[in-house]
Amino acid sequence: DVKVTQSSRYLVKRTGEKVFLECVQDMDHENMFWYRQDPGLGLRLIYFSYDVKMKEKGDIPEGYSVSREKKERFSLILESASTNQTSMYLCASSLGQRNTEAFFGQGTRLTVV
Amino acid sequence: DAKTTQPPSMDCAEGRAANLPCNHSTISGNEYVYWYRQIHSQGPQYIIHGLKNNETNEMASLIITEDRKSSTLILPHATLRDTAVYYCIVRVAWVAGANNLFFGTGTRLTVIP
Repeated sequence: DVKVTQSSRYLVKRTGEKVFLECVQDMDHENMFWYRQDPGLGLRLIYFSYDVKMKEKGDIPEGYSVSREKKERFSLILESASTNQTSMYLCASSLGQRNTEAFFGQGTRLTVV
Repeated sequence: DAKTTQPPSMDCAEGRAANLPCNHSTISGNEYVYWYRQIHSQGPQYIIHGLKNNETNEMASLIITEDRKSSTLILPHATLRDTAVYYCIVRVAWVAGANNLFFGTGTRLTVIP
């Protein structure tokens, strides 16, 4: 089974802190994604990556950056966390081929106080 | 990617078929219809996808109208474990360099005992 693992299930950080959310997948997938999920807004794409060291902005990249130094790992970085970044963050991966499904991690619930 | 419209919520009696509609009137010829679901406190899970023919797998059936402007996901015998938010997504099968997924707000299906 494909496994997408997010480093933390729950995280509490202070305003202004630098926050790293880590995601690892074990199926050699080319594509990886970061979403945030908020009540009433569904899942919104923050960034995605289709190869090592490659990244593309999604719908809401402001306030975030990403890093993909290795194929299996995709990190989301909040340079200076703010309270409006309190959310559920979901990582996903998929093969770099047509018509493939995406596999999601369990999510990280981040609270910025 | 084409926009989709889904009802915000639906109920279904346990053991009966659940029929979840999705409108995608601006779908273009090279766009597929994907369905995912998200059970509470978990990441989204892929269910099924199709282009224009009806599709069936072990989880569900997907019925796409002839003009492709709408589709219906059918869970033939709903169980309590099918209570979840169901997302209909329309996207191109292949975007050079990336396979990004854009989620909306979905339909919250409640299966009633």
